[in-house]
Amino acid sequence: EAQVTQNPRYLITVTGKKLTVTCSQNMNHEYMSWYRQDPGLGLRQIYYSMNVEVTDKGDVPEGYKVSRKEKRNFPLILESPSPNQTSLYFCASNSAWQGNHEQYFGPGTRLTVT
Amino acid sequence: AQSVTQLGSHVSVSEGALVLLRCNYSSSVPPYLFWYVQYPNQGLQLLLKYTSAATLVKGINGFEAEFKKSETSFHLTKPSAHMSDAAEYFCAVDAGGTSYGKLTFGQGTILTVHP
Repeated sequence: EAQVTQNPRYLITVTGKKLTVTCSQNMNHEYMSWYRQDPGLGLRQIYYSMNVEVTDKGDVPEGYKVSRKEKRNFPLILESPSPNQTSLYFCASNSAWQGNHEQYFGPGTRLTVT
Repeated sequence: AQSVTQLGSHVSVSEGALVLLRCNYSSSVPPYLFWYVQYPNQGLQLLLKYTSAATLVKGINGFEAEFKKSETSFHLTKPSAHMSDAAEYFCAVDAGGTSYGKLTFGQGTILTVHP
């Protein structure tokens, strides 16, 4: 089954404690993205990656890091989480072929930073 | 830069009534346009997409949307609402080209369906 998986699904942590949210896709997609969802703001792109070792900032990259060492994985790293990073996070992937443009989303990770 | 505006953060309809969710976008080039639905405590599911083929796009669950370039709109409609349509709906745009893969979302519209 084609899917994007994220772990963990729920995470409660404290300010300053480094954490990583993993994302993996099994569709051999070139593009992967991270979004955060906040009430009244919709989803905003944090970072995206066009292929292995190629990443770029989205609209709200401050406080986040990413890496793309393998095509299937795109982890999101919060080096020093703060309460304003409490949010619902989604990973997504899509093919580079623009004729079949559709982003596939993971189930989401709900992060609470106290 | 691209942007998306969804008119109305909350829309309430009666079961069986027409559903109309409004979306306007700004993009310097012909865009790709999408509608996603999010049911409570779930992820995002693609309803339909416009990728420069037919301007009237049919999606899942009886929804459709019409791309109107002159109005820069991509409104979502369904002739007869069902209780199961209650969810949050997001319009999104991808300008393609060098911005391909960068989705910009509207703020979302929560649809409530009354019996």
